[in-house]
Amino acid sequence: DTGVSQDPRHKITKRGQNVTFRCDPISEHNRLYWYRQTLGQGPEFLTYFQNEAQLEKSRLLSDRFSAERPKGSFSTLEIQRTEQGDSAMYLCASSPPGPRNTEAFFGQGTRLTVV
Amino acid sequence: ELKVEQNPLFLSMQEGKNYTIYCNYSTTSDRLYWYRQDPGKSLESLFVLLSNGAVKQEGRLMASLDTKARLSTLHITAAVHDLSATYFCAVERGGADGLTFGKGTHLIIQP
Repeated sequence: DTGVSQDPRHKITKRGQNVTFRCDPISEHNRLYWYRQTLGQGPEFLTYFQNEAQLEKSRLLSDRFSAERPKGSFSTLEIQRTEQGDSAMYLCASSPPGPRNTEAFFGQGTRLTVV
Repeated sequence: ELKVEQNPLFLSMQEGKNYTIYCNYSTTSDRLYWYRQDPGKSLESLFVLLSNGAVKQEGRLMASLDTKARLSTLHITAAVHDLSATYFCAVERGGADGLTFGKGTHLIIQP
């Protein structure tokens, strides 16, 4: 499978716990994005990497959220001290080198439920 | 703040009918994207519209872009049940990387 891969697909956690999600982009893609999608809404931009550099973070990304892409390949998104409002689908997308916003390919997402 | 508005948000239609989904956005942008999402699944890219007047067609779906009106349309011709899904339009975030999405149009096509 050469698409964007996310792990885990589902995560249930208790409020206050930390969770970490992983995204493996398409291998030749240097751009990687994280989005959050809640029920009945469109995806909301969280953050963006070009290679290993995190170039932008949304105001939605509170200080409990941190994302890394240490070697410019896979990325992780960590949420510390989870809250019920963090329950959502977390989507990762990647794009090949080229002009900004070249077509992005999305992974299957990680559905987080905070109880 | 960039806003992307889709209408309708919910549409139930019969097979064989034609219909149009509208996407309005609030700031200038030369690029607009349409995605499809099936329940519980991720987003599938349908169309990338890169300039004013762009028109793209794939099967029963046709998308167009009018950057002066800040309007894109997704037209469905002779709908079939397999097209039931949620359709999102998305626009560049003010010249930055990453997209701003509309709320989506939940489309149900009944036999």
